[in-house]
Amino acid sequence: GENVGLHLPTLSVQEGDNSIINCAYSNSASDYFIWYKQESGKGPQFIIDIRSNMDKRQGQRVTVLLNKTVKHLSLQIAATQPGDSAVYFCAEEGYGNNRLAFGKGNQVVVIP
Amino acid sequence: DSGVTQTPKHLITATGQRVTLRCSPRSGDLSVYWYQQSLDQGLQFLIHYYNGEERAKGNILERFSAQQFPDLHSELNLSSLELGDSALYFCASSVRGDLNTGELFFGEGSRLTVL
Repeated sequence: GENVGLHLPTLSVQEGDNSIINCAYSNSASDYFIWYKQESGKGPQFIIDIRSNMDKRQGQRVTVLLNKTVKHLSLQIAATQPGDSAVYFCAEEGYGNNRLAFGKGNQVVVIP
Repeated sequence: DSGVTQTPKHLITATGQRVTLRCSPRSGDLSVYWYQQSLDQGLQFLIHYYNGEERAKGNILERFSAQQFPDLHSELNLSSLELGDSALYFCASSVRGDLNTGELFFGEGSRLTVL
């Protein structure tokens, strides 16, 4: 895929298990955070977002947790499926900044 | 299918040349964003246009330029190409363009190879 060579952190997870992907962000002024998923050969796809006035948000099979104290973001995927195999990016943005900054990405490999 | 169309999908050219990448946003989206994805830098924000006007600029080289036309499609022009410009160039659109980017819808990218 496009991210080969980036030496991405890789998480191997058994199908059906839960996955946790972590992200440390850099800008304490960031107030909006998004997780994107990128499958091989495709563009990034929105998964879930969270604003800084929240510390948890849930979607379908996914939960995002935000810890502003330590500038940490995590994405939890419940009951991981083969279709979840992809690179996951966290992205951050400051209020009014209008430029989303992406992290380096985490590769998730689901073992059937 | 995100609804964002990028052309060409693949492009091979030589150093010193100039190329134009084209993007049609989703119907109704006023914002177009350009990102560069290379092996060693990940996804880098280049530039954002909203309804024809430049809204934000990121790490875009002076050799690169972009514009958004009245029909809202956008073009990214890359000139005096260097080997290091080889990358995937993504266009993304969103309905918003104000204070926060919001959900971006990405195209499938244009893969540029400079030889």
